[in-house]
Amino acid sequence: GAVVSQHPSWVICKSGTSVKIECRSLDFQATTMFWYRQFPKQSLMLMATSNEGSKATYEQGVEKDKFLINHASLTLSTLTVTSAHPEDSSFYICSTKRQLNTEAFFGQGTRLTVV
Amino acid sequence: GENVEQHPSTLSVQEGDSAVIKCTYSDSASNYFPWYKQELGKRPQLIIDIRSNVGEKKDQRIAVTLNKTAKHFSLHITETQPEDSAVYFCAASQPTGANNLFFGTGTRLTVIP
Repeated sequence: GAVVSQHPSWVICKSGTSVKIECRSLDFQATTMFWYRQFPKQSLMLMATSNEGSKATYEQGVEKDKFLINHASLTLSTLTVTSAHPEDSSFYICSTKRQLNTEAFFGQGTRLTVV
Repeated sequence: GENVEQHPSTLSVQEGDSAVIKCTYSDSASNYFPWYKQELGKRPQLIIDIRSNVGEKKDQRIAVTLNKTAKHFSLHITETQPEDSAVYFCAASQPTGANNLFFGTGTRLTVIP
């Protein structure tokens, strides 16, 4: 099956700094990637849809200036959490699909802790 | 947009018993319904999926049923084992638009040895 690689798997940063998370599709070209956020014991909440070569589409309530998404190639999407605060601490996970309405493949997830 | 509800939020069963998790969805345009298993701190893994042109699908101890009219679908795990303990998420997606998954709230399944 397809493999999605996400890095780093965990990161601790100081308040006010920025953190970049990478999501790579290793087996196929991913036109679209999805970024989710998951709080402890809660579901995956879609933050934004990343489209190769165009601007990301953000879900309501997600600050686009705080969560910068770049999808510069068909195999790489990045999420940058800017000026991180403790409330940004969460599990961030990306996913993509080969085709519409098929299985979604997830990255390993990134546990972000802001201190 | 789509709204997926999932019940129960927690479920404990004795090893060997069956477990059933139910989900409902709101948008009749949704036509793809996957189920994911997520172990603590790990990525969700697809365990079974069903499309709206099928009413039931089975894969060994796991089965999913879909009632399009009522807009609900269920996951059935038979002969549960301790390694089935995890959080299970249902999801729905549509053939148009961004094609993202709308997830249920999750069910924490504990299989007691």
